[in-house]
Amino acid sequence: SQTIHQWPATLVQPVGSPLSLECTVEGTSNPNLYWYRQAAGRGLQLLFYSVGIGQISSEVPQNLSASRPQDRQFILSSKKLLLSDSGFYLCAWRGSGRGYGYTFGSGTRLTVV
Amino acid sequence: GNSVTQMEGPVTLSEEAFLTINCTYTATGYPSLFWYVQYPGEGLQLLLKATKADDKGSNKGFEATYRKETTSFHLEKGSVQVSDSAVYFCALSADSGAGSYQLTFGKGTKLSVIP
Repeated sequence: SQTIHQWPATLVQPVGSPLSLECTVEGTSNPNLYWYRQAAGRGLQLLFYSVGIGQISSEVPQNLSASRPQDRQFILSSKKLLLSDSGFYLCAWRGSGRGYGYTFGSGTRLTVV
Repeated sequence: GNSVTQMEGPVTLSEEAFLTINCTYTATGYPSLFWYVQYPGEGLQLLLKATKADDKGSNKGFEATYRKETTSFHLEKGSVQVSDSAVYFCALSADSGAGSYQLTFGKGTKLSVIP
């Protein structure tokens, strides 16, 4: 069966520090991968998605970036965090074809102080 | 473009009350429809889905019917429990080009069930 792993679960980082969040999927190949952010009390914001290795589409081109170095690995990064980067970050994967929903990871709670 | 509109929350109900959370959509093409649930501090979990008109998705006592004529996918449960307290998201999936199906989410409805 397919599983998705996301870590760390919580993170407290100072303003200006770098960020690296990792997401891996097991039990499937060539998944579509997504990074979402959920600010407190708000809905889901799509940040990046990827349909293959090295293919990244950005929806919110701020001080965040994403990479997909391997088929089932998706990394969210920042060189210098801002206070406004605080939130709940969710990774998700999806199989190909119509009718498939997303499977989400358990999320990373990031607090920038 | 694609969009999902769901009723604003928060919704507070007493245990064993009937629940309806309205969801309507606009989409190009023929979307699939989903309801996700998010318990406090957790990621989203797929609750149910429907992929064609008149399909009924169901899970854990929740139901939703794909109504193409009214472009709706309302979530219902006959008798809610305290453990149903969570945020519920309606979503649709449609081809966004080159076979990349992305989900479009509603803003979420927070449900609180009191004993």
